[in-house]
Amino acid sequence: NAGVTQTPKFQVLKTGQSMTLQCAQDMNHNSMYWYRQDPGMGLRLIYYSASEGTTDKGEVPNGYNVSRLNKREFSLRLESAAPSQTSVYFCASTDNYGYTFGSGTRLTVV
Amino acid sequence: QKEVEQDPGPLSVPEGAIVSLNCTYSNSAFQYFMWYRQYSRKGPELLMYTYSSGNKEDGRFTAQVDKSSKYISLFIRDSQPSDSATYLCAPRWGSQGNLIFGKGTKLSVKP
Repeated sequence: NAGVTQTPKFQVLKTGQSMTLQCAQDMNHNSMYWYRQDPGMGLRLIYYSASEGTTDKGEVPNGYNVSRLNKREFSLRLESAAPSQTSVYFCASTDNYGYTFGSGTRLTVV
Repeated sequence: QKEVEQDPGPLSVPEGAIVSLNCTYSNSAFQYFMWYRQYSRKGPELLMYTYSSGNKEDGRFTAQVDKSSKYISLFIRDSQPSDSATYLCAPRWGSQGNLIFGKGTKLSVKP
């Protein structure tokens, strides 16, 4: 049972480049989330999807887009990366109680 | 005022000590209260959760919620070096609501 799988684990981008962070869960969860975690800021919600076919903005959505491809997959896209988007990104899914998190993507924008 | 406040620490204790980790929150509608543990360079993992006020015990860990004072606590008995991690509290207002995370308290248990 893999849980929540995120790819890639590490990435370095140049300012202005685009990329998509992938997330997949195998627990048949309805809800999925994207967070970023920065030192001193804690976990901040970027976007979430309460069910297949729906997405909603979280606390810090600017500069990001998401796609709920199907029940298993929820991707996060940076269209034009900026140094302020340097962070650790976590995907999570839930069965309505606790969230299960992936192991994260460490993104550096130079 | 932030919805969830948590002292970031760091908190350093000797092995075997009793550890108390705390959060305060502002939204009286919160009903579920989660505690997550996050090891360095890993994703958060659910440690335990409680519903409404009261205590819940799981091995060396006890979660306590006082809704009247909007205060959440996690106690670790007989702390071990393997408990060294960042602990995040995360309340939510319902089974469908999003979790609201505290910033986490970094704990170090010295052998």
